Amino acid sequence: DAGVTQSPTHLIKTRGQQVTLRCSPKSGHDTVSWYQQALGQGPQFIFQYYEEEERQRGNFPDRFSGHQYPNYSSELNVNALLLGDSALYLCASSLGRLNSNQPQHFGDGTRLSIL
Amino acid sequence: GESVGLHLPTLSVQEGDNSIINCAYSNSASDYFIWYKQESGKGPQFIIDIRSNMDKRQGQRVTVLLNKTVKHLSLQIAATQPGDSAVYFCAENDNNAGNMLTFGGGTRLMVKP
Repeated sequence: DAGVTQSPTHLIKTRGQQVTLRCSPKSGHDTVSWYQQALGQGPQFIFQYYEEEERQRGNFPDRFSGHQYPNYSSELNVNALLLGDSALYLCASSLGRLNSNQPQHFGDGTRLSIL
Repeated sequence: GESVGLHLPTLSVQEGDNSIINCAYSNSASDYFIWYKQESGKGPQFIIDIRSNMDKRQGQRVTVLLNKTVKHLSLQIAATQPGDSAVYFCAENDNNAGNMLTFGGGTRLMVKP
């Protein structure tokens, strides 16, 4: 039973560029959430996708966008990269969205470095 | 792998001792709580969860205690082992508002052999 998988594992970009990160959820899960984790801090919620639509969004600018496909996989896109976007980007999947009391399961993340 | 939590609070315990990691949460509407373990170079790994209608839940070698009055959560690890060394995060969620986790700042657990 495959867990959450993310690609790539590491990525180096320069300021102003655009990046796409990918996530395949755990088998049986239909909801995908994205988090940003800066060094020394806990993950911060970016947004959540369910039924191919963005359902909730944290305090991130619209440079951060996403997509969910019919097979539940998801992408995180970041435009006009800034130095401060350097972080570990985590994808988490779960079953159901509201009142599910189901834990989110995380992938190992994509380490994005901006030069 | 690279380090997670370079400047986090650190709890250092002897192998075989019990560990207690504490967490204060912020949202009184939160009704679901999770503890995660994060090892260097990896994503958070689910340990145990608890709903707000409970004040204690036990798993294998782990116990979570919830005190809603003071908005406090703790994770107890029995007979701590070197493999328990990691950064531990508590996370809270208000299920009526969706499934968006809010994480605490994390605690680094170091187990001395």
